[in-house]
Amino acid sequence: DAKTTQPTSMDCAEGRAANLPCNHSTISGNEYVYWYRQIHSQGPQYIIHGLKNNETNEMASLIITEDRKSSTLILPHATLRDTAVYYCIVRVSTSSNTGKLIFGQGTTLQVKP
Amino acid sequence: NAGVTQTPKFQVLKTGQSMTLQCAQDMNHEYMSWYRQDPGMGLRLIHYSVGAGITDQGEVPNGYNVSRSTTEDFPLRLLSAAPSQTSVYFCASSYLGGSYEQYFGPGTRLTVT
Repeated sequence: DAKTTQPTSMDCAEGRAANLPCNHSTISGNEYVYWYRQIHSQGPQYIIHGLKNNETNEMASLIITEDRKSSTLILPHATLRDTAVYYCIVRVSTSSNTGKLIFGQGTTLQVKP
Repeated sequence: NAGVTQTPKFQVLKTGQSMTLQCAQDMNHEYMSWYRQDPGMGLRLIHYSVGAGITDQGEVPNGYNVSRSTTEDFPLRLLSAAPSQTSVYFCASSYLGGSYEQYFGPGTRLTVT
């Protein structure tokens, strides 16, 4: 699975959009980009994933560049409860995929009032 | 659905003691895994299973055993606890295939003195 690079930490004002970048320059064609977050030592929580196209769900939007070498997770209206560590993970998608996730250090997002 | 459940929530062991961390899921997921998270670090994969009777090692398997006799349960056994195994342990499950998200349990905080 490709390696990812994320900033160590970011701040965001409450109510503003939080844009979390992720570089995955060695990503291959069959690798998905996943985002998880971990709020204060709870179990990680799935946010969103995508392959090529931009994706949106009730929690966030995922923007993947055309060359797929980087992506951005967007929390449209950050709240204090979005303060967490955000992990960007790339993973091969095949029918026999074992499901392994390799976590890096992630980005600590601090949402401030 | 209860999702992924883990017991106990907290445990203190003395060096050399053995114990089993329990993990169960009620979503009929084929894939289950165990991670450990040390303070300030990301999650590291210990062992995983792609179905009943099938297990494999992750990044940090030494000192731990697993078995998968049913789809629902995936216990993690510490054979002879060491202070280096002080950590928070998370269990996760998902359907097989790279495009499925993983669901994480709430974690077990283990201290080995």
